[in-house]
Amino acid sequence: NAGVTQTPKFQVLKTGQSMTLQCAQDMNHEYMSWYRQDPGMGLRLIHYSVGAGITDQGEVPNGYNVSRSTTEDFPLRLLSAAPSQTSVYFCASSPILNQPQHFGDGTRLSIL
Amino acid sequence: DQQVKQNSPSLSVQEGRISILNCDYTNSMFDYFLWYKKYPAEGPTFLISISSIKDKNEDGRFTVFLNKSAKHLSLHIVPSQPGDSAVYFCAARTNTGNQFYFGTGTSLTVIP
Repeated sequence: NAGVTQTPKFQVLKTGQSMTLQCAQDMNHEYMSWYRQDPGMGLRLIHYSVGAGITDQGEVPNGYNVSRSTTEDFPLRLLSAAPSQTSVYFCASSPILNQPQHFGDGTRLSIL
Repeated sequence: DQQVKQNSPSLSVQEGRISILNCDYTNSMFDYFLWYKKYPAEGPTFLISISSIKDKNEDGRFTVFLNKSAKHLSLHIVPSQPGDSAVYFCAARTNTGNQFYFGTGTSLTVIP
């Protein structure tokens, strides 16, 4: 049972580039979310989804897009990377909204 | 503005002794609280939770205490083991909200 799988694990981008962070879960969870972890800031919610076709913004959505075409996948897109988006990104899922979440192992993203 | 605060960035405890990790919150509408544990290069894993209708919840060596009047919760680990060395995050949600708010984490080191 793979749980929540994030790819890639590491990525370096140049300012202005775009990219997609992938997240997949095999637990048939309805709720999925993306967080970023920055020093001294804890985990902050970027976007979340309560089911296929439904997404909404979290605390820090600017500069990011998401879509949820299937229950399993919840990709996060950086439209035009900025140095302020250097962070560790975690994807998480839970059976329904607001239950304890299962987290992936993170994507460490550096933007130069 | 940080709604969930962990004011101790780090804590060191001798093996076999009690570890007490603290968390304070500002939003009186929070009704469900969780603790997560995180090892380096891994995602957080759910540890224990407590609802606001309780003031204590136990799971083996882990006990969470909730003091609603003080807006304070704590995680007790007894006895502490070297494998407990990790970063611990508390998180909270409201009953009408759509997200968890995370603290900044406390790094626990258990000394053999």
